[in-house]
This record gives sequence, structure tokens and C-alpha cells, in this order.
Amino acid sequence: QVPLKESGPALVKPTQTLTLTCSFSGFSLSATGMGVGWIRQPPGKALEWLALIYWDDDKRYNPSLESRLTITKDTSRSQVVLTMANMAPVDTGTYFCARKPSSEGSAYSWFDLWGQGTLVAVSS
Amino acid sequence: DIVMTQSPDSLAVSLGERATINCKSSQSIFYSAYNKNYVTWYQQKPGQPPKLLIYWASTREYGVPDRFSGSGSGTDFTLTISSLQAEDAAVYYCQQYYTNPITFGQGTRLEIK
Repeated sequence: QVPLKESGPALVKPTQTLTLTCSFSGFSLSATGMGVGWIRQPPGKALEWLALIYWDDDKRYNPSLESRLTITKDTSRSQVVLTMANMAPVDTGTYFCARKPSSEGSAYSWFDLWGQGTLVAVSS
Repeated sequence: DIVMTQSPDSLAVSLGERATINCKSSQSIFYSAYNKNYVTWYQQKPGQPPKLLIYWASTREYGVPDRFSGSGSGTDFTLTISSLQAEDAAVYYCQQYYTNPITFGQGTRLEIK
């Protein structure tokens, strides 16, 4: 069973808002220290971290994109939702959700479990 | 932002040989209060998500072969594959989690010679 799975539209138009859902299993986002993050990857390029939500509903965003991002969680449904406003062609890429494990001494940490990713194209 | 710069961008290594990938951070990512370096390494194969290899600069993730090792401190870090196997062909990324924003290196493509 895939521990995390992303879902959302494959194509969005410029200026539209993208909504992505991460459905996960095998762990609880209510466990102390746990978090779920979103990371994206333009075709053939490097990874870029977007946002992170923690077990206590604390949220962190990449400052370069913070004005466009909202991350929320539904612990009972084991889902995390990311919205990104005002999409543009440069936002085209694969969007991954990933688990941040509990890690003493670090608010951010590494990502130990990843979804397969969902490819989002932005085009009119 | 902390910039993570990897070198080389690509390398080709023969089977059974050692592969070394470097990662340099634009500022120290060592936190003395915890005596830890806040860097991790991932392996990514085509069409797949990244796979966690190393965290805290040198702690191997459970199930990762011991031919993978991480080292370094402060601003300079290294991922070493001691005896390259065919399945190690991939792109490797370092990532810092010392501060917001989390940032990744540009990636190093490792090919089999």
C-alpha cells in the first residue's frame, strides 16, 4: 500500500488556483512531531520545498511563495490539502507530498516517505 | 536562503568503484546545541520520488545499503558510495533543514561508466 498519494488536476489555466490533496495511511498526523510537506519539481529540474504542516496545526511556508500558498489538514480523514493561487506556466511540474518524521532538535527535518507525485501543467 | 551547491553536476563511475558527491552550504548548518549537522541526502531515479538515504549528515536510513555513507560538518558535506552497483545510477540531492526555507542542491547525476 502506497503510504502517501497525491491527487488533483493535471491541467490548470494561468491565474487559476491549484488544489492538491495528499491522502496518507500507516501513520497519524496527530502523533507528536509528525508533519506532512509539499515539494515540487519542474521537468528535468531540482526539488523545491513549498510548505509543511505539523501535528499541532503549525504551518510553515517557503517565503518566496508564501503569499500564494495555503496548507491545511484533516486528521480524521488522513489528508493534507495544498492550494496555490495565481498559477503560471513556470509552476508546471510534479508535486510531491512527503512525511516529515518526528525529529528532536529540528523543526523542519528530512522527508522519509514520499508519494509518487502528480504532474501539473499550467497552460491556457 | 541557504544555498546548497553540489559538485560535480554529473559523474560517471565504473561498477565496483567509489563515487563521491559533494555538497556545500552557503552558511554553516551545524547546530552546536544538538551537535548535529542539518543535512540529508536523497536518491532519485527517473519517474520516481526521491528516496531518503542519509540524515543528520551521516545517519543511514533503515534499509539503505551500507555502501552509502555521509560525512562532513559545518558547510561541507559528502555522500560516498563505496562500491558502485548498477542500481545506483540516479540523481542525488542534498537538502538542508537548518532553517526556513528548506533548500535542496541542484542535483548530481551519477552514471555507470
